[in-house]
Amino acid sequence: EIVLTQSPATLSLSPGERATLSCRASQSVSSYLAWYQQKPGQAPRLLIYDASNRATGIPARFSGSGSGTDFTLTISSLEPEDFAVYYCQQRSNWPRYTFGQGTKLEIK
Amino acid sequence: EVQLVESGGGLVKPGGSLRLSCAASGFTFSSYSMNWVRQAPGKGLEWVSSISSSSSYIYYADSVKGRFTISRDNAKNSLYLQMNSLRAEDTAVYYCAREVRGSGSYQSYYFDYWGQGTLVTVSS
Repeated sequence: EIVLTQSPATLSLSPGERATLSCRASQSVSSYLAWYQQKPGQAPRLLIYDASNRATGIPARFSGSGSGTDFTLTISSLEPEDFAVYYCQQRSNWPRYTFGQGTKLEIK
Repeated sequence: EVQLVESGGGLVKPGGSLRLSCAASGFTFSSYSMNWVRQAPGKGLEWVSSISSSSSYIYYADSVKGRFTISRDNAKNSLYLQMNSLRAEDTAVYYCAREVRGSGSYQSYYFDYWGQGTLVTVSS
């Protein structure tokens, strides 16, 4: 089973700063990784798929990179609405989906 | 506008049963695989089950296999999750989610739309 490990668990930054979130897979998932954003009391929202493709309607300040086992979600300049929990997800051990444990992005 | 609306959650005793529903609108339901994903209070996301567009392929997480049954009615644009032999560890918000394919690879599947979730609490 492929395990996704996200770091850090919590990231404290200020609006306007750059955020870098990491997701590491226990074995290669090629480029088949997604990122989701979840705000309190809301459902997750797809941000990035196939490691680097922004989903429909996602602002350009969100970008994804990586392949194999190491992936990064970057938010170039934080807006107040970006403070949330972020999850990575893969389906390389098909048909099962797995998620990382999440990174909480909080206001410093 | 794509909408997914879950219902059927509630409080149930250990060993009991519950049936969740998800009403879909705003897209051709019969063309998409659908999934259930859950989230225990204060915890992360856990995939539960998947069903293909015509119900030909059904998959479950090991944690629910043999206890939960996913189904769909394309005529009613509805997805279901029958949950039996419920345990305290099944307590969670249950989301239905639409599955989409990214690239052509069999590994490139993601959830592009989610419902608002329905809370299931298993407690005596």
